Amino acid sequence: AQSVTQPDIHITVSEGASLELRCNYSYGATPYLFWYVQSPGQGLQLLLKYFSGDTLVQGIKGFEAEFKRSQSSFNLRKPSVHWSDAAEYFCAVGARSGGSNYKLTFGKGTLLTVNP
Amino acid sequence: NAGVTQTPKFQVLKTGQSMTLQCAQDMNHNSMYWYRQDPGMGLRLIYYSASEGTTDKGEVPNGYNVSRLNKREFSLRLESAAPSQTSVYFCASSLEAWNYGYTFGSGTRLTVV
Repeated sequence: AQSVTQPDIHITVSEGASLELRCNYSYGATPYLFWYVQSPGQGLQLLLKYFSGDTLVQGIKGFEAEFKRSQSSFNLRKPSVHWSDAAEYFCAVGARSGGSNYKLTFGKGTLLTVNP
Repeated sequence: NAGVTQTPKFQVLKTGQSMTLQCAQDMNHNSMYWYRQDPGMGLRLIYYSASEGTTDKGEVPNGYNVSRLNKREFSLRLESAAPSQTSVYFCASSLEAWNYGYTFGSGTRLTVV
């Protein structure tokens, strides 16, 4: 079964600083990988996804992520963080779990605090 | 462009009471999902419906039932609420089960006392 690990529960960065959120996955085949963002009191919004092809994917709000098969990682990056980026970020892996069942498994999330 | 609509947004139940959480999507999506979110646990899949007329258990189905009423609507029922079911519940939908491009509702915050 697939699994997702987000090693950092809480990260604090200063506005304008660069950001990298870590994500490691476990899955036997090529995974489908996602990053979602959740603002307080809101549902989850898709930032970006990787299905195949170019291992560096661009998303909304200036985010990008790089798939590294050798490290089983899919880290999220942003060159310059804005105060509005403060939120909780979830990495997820999508995989077939038998027959026609497709399952999206989420990590436990990383809470991002942005200092002015 | 409402997307995924969940009702109610907040609910307080007494132990043993029952209730149904409603979810409707207007994007003509085939697949729908119910997740619960607890602090430090991420999102865990309760039930899903890959297409109209089918439902399947997810990771944490105990204490819940679902109904895919039609293509638009997917409800979650708690027959006898327990304090352990205090959580934030999210409904999501996707065009197809394998597509994974989930659209989430804004959630229902449920407290069982």
